[in-house]
Amino acid sequence: LAKTTQPISMDSYEGQEVNITCSHNNIATNDYITWYQQFPSQGPRFIIQGYKTKVTNEVASLFIPADRKSSTLSLPRVSLSDTAVYYCLVGSHYGNNRLAFGKGNQVVVIP
Amino acid sequence: GAVVSQHPSRVICKSGTSVKIECRSLDFQATTMFWYRQFPKQSLMLMATSNEGSKATYEQGVEKDKFLINHASLTLSTLTVTSAHPEDSSFYICSADGQGLGTDTQYFGPGTRLTVL
Repeated sequence: LAKTTQPISMDSYEGQEVNITCSHNNIATNDYITWYQQFPSQGPRFIIQGYKTKVTNEVASLFIPADRKSSTLSLPRVSLSDTAVYYCLVGSHYGNNRLAFGKGNQVVVIP
Repeated sequence: GAVVSQHPSRVICKSGTSVKIECRSLDFQATTMFWYRQFPKQSLMLMATSNEGSKATYEQGVEKDKFLINHASLTLSTLTVTSAHPEDSSFYICSADGQGLGTDTQYFGPGTRLTVL
């Protein structure tokens, strides 16, 4: 299973843009990059998924450089309710889509 | 769309009893479902991959005779913790593969809190 590395934690003020980085040096050709958000005592919630370049949806943007060995999740104008653990994972159906969760990044939004 | 449910959400049982947890994909079919365990302040740990109509594949170190998995239909997988002990107390989370929706995404259930007394 491909491993990912993220900073353990980060703080941000309400209303700011938050950029969360993830390193995945061993990403395979068929792997997608997926980001999840988890609140305490809840299952992870899908945020965004991408393969290369940039992907944007209604809640976030995902930036993936050409070598795909890292990715950055961008959350625009965070609010207190965005305080959560954010996980990035890599995997694909060719690997039976098994995912290895890293430690994740605890993001704390401060008023 | 892509809703996954789990039942029960919380269960307390006595040591030595067995507990069954259900995972359902409500609005899509899932050939593959996954079971995870999460201890407090830790990340999710993949326990096993559940494939409809075939035997589950367990991760290294996970006892298949203790954690029985059945994936009898394209919308239901069950995890039975047999002869539960206090060290099995944890947050159990399932996910369903979104291939049936044409995506490479896993959709997670809300989790089941198991407490073994």
